[in-house]
Amino acid sequence: EVQLVESGGGLVQPGRSLRLSCAGAGFTFGDYTMHWVRQVPGKGLEWVSSISWNSFTIAYADSVRGRFTISRDNAKNSLYLEMNSLRTEDTAFYYCGKVGTYFANYLDSWGQGTLVTVSS
Amino acid sequence: NFMLTQPHSVSGSPGETVAISCTRSSGNIDTRYVQWYQQRPGSAPTNVIYEDNQRPSGVPDRFAGSIDSSSNSASLIISGLKTEDEADYYCQSYDDNNLWVFGGGTKLTVL
Repeated sequence: EVQLVESGGGLVQPGRSLRLSCAGAGFTFGDYTMHWVRQVPGKGLEWVSSISWNSFTIAYADSVRGRFTISRDNAKNSLYLEMNSLRTEDTAFYYCGKVGTYFANYLDSWGQGTLVTVSS
Repeated sequence: NFMLTQPHSVSGSPGETVAISCTRSSGNIDTRYVQWYQQRPGSAPTNVIYEDNQRPSGVPDRFAGSIDSSSNSASLIISGLKTEDEADYYCQSYDDNNLWVFGGGTKLTVL
């Protein structure tokens, strides 16, 4: 059974940094592109970033490009999101997700999410 | 980039059929696959349709996806509505640079 577990969320002041982690289990982590998706409580889903299996291809939403950095460590079955210069509008649940197949552009598994609150 | 527009809400009675639309603002809907996700309150989303009309294992065949090039839209059709289908539904697609876009979401109420 595929398992994705996010961690690292919490309360942080505007302008500060936070690093999220996502631990994968139950599948060959290094074979799949991984994504981060966020959701403001009570609002819709917003795609944040993606990283290919070999870290060669990385993409970001315009809203986070230049502030957030996605990375992965396949040896540790882990995905990361380094968030810098945080803004109040970055407050959201952050989900990591695994694509369905090697070239797929959909998520077949999601973590339970970790809440990031940016507030002074 | 493009946008995906969904109705804010739809409703139906048990046993009925409902359709949720997802209209692409620019670019042809049929050039990139559309996916659909279901999100129940307090839970993470789950995939119910991928690649326009494919159903993951475990998703009942009451769920179907379609594409209409004439209206540049995709649809999620749920037949034989059940109370357990009450949830938020999101469409998702991507552009030539693999930047993803989600629709704003549709709240399905089963009356």
